[in-house]
Amino acid sequence: GESVGLHLPTLSVQEGDNSIINCAYSNSASDYFIWYKQESGKGPQFIIDIRSNMDKRQGQRVTVLLNKTVKHLSLQIAATQPGDSAVYFCAEGILNDKLIFGTGTRLQVFP
Amino acid sequence: DAGVTQSPTHLIKTRGQQVTLRCSPKSGHDTVSWYQQALGQGPQFIFQYYEEEERQRGNFPDRFSGHQFPNYSSELNVNALLLGDSALYLCASSLARNQETQYFGPGTRLLVL
Repeated sequence: GESVGLHLPTLSVQEGDNSIINCAYSNSASDYFIWYKQESGKGPQFIIDIRSNMDKRQGQRVTVLLNKTVKHLSLQIAATQPGDSAVYFCAEGILNDKLIFGTGTRLQVFP
Repeated sequence: DAGVTQSPTHLIKTRGQQVTLRCSPKSGHDTVSWYQQALGQGPQFIFQYYEEEERQRGNFPDRFSGHQFPNYSSELNVNALLLGDSALYLCASSLARNQETQYFGPGTRLLVL
């Protein structure tokens, strides 16, 4: 279904620790998944994506894991920095169809 | 290389009025998608334009309409504004052959009083 979140869950981590942000998606037919970072007053910024035929993908300091059995997606951020503080959204897409966003998680990094 | 730009950045309207928001896609991109983001929620897809035509549409009433120009820029029009239309309106651009990679603009914050 469509994004219907009413309250934004928050994850608080200490600087230098690893962060794990989770997302449950709705459509088992989705072809790809994307994580976006949205800072206050800005539009979503692409972080990393993963195709449905993969279960793990790594980027710079970030790793995305996909578990199709339980329709779960996670974003791992290594050595979290203050600049990582933002709202993180997962999105699922089907080729040639619209992108559907999840509810978002606010990441707060404290010193 | 300019990214996606949107104008205006902020806008205040009253109920019943009409509004036009504008978007210039990232250089080289030919597809523009519009999203509505209510406070505390994820963006919701409104519609997508390619080759000056609406290619896909989300669950939004006909009060929401759009246009794409030959230079790939786009407008979002909303008629008969309701209080519930208050939101951040995001434009995203992409290449038709690679729609998965969408670049978002900073958005236009619309407040309807």
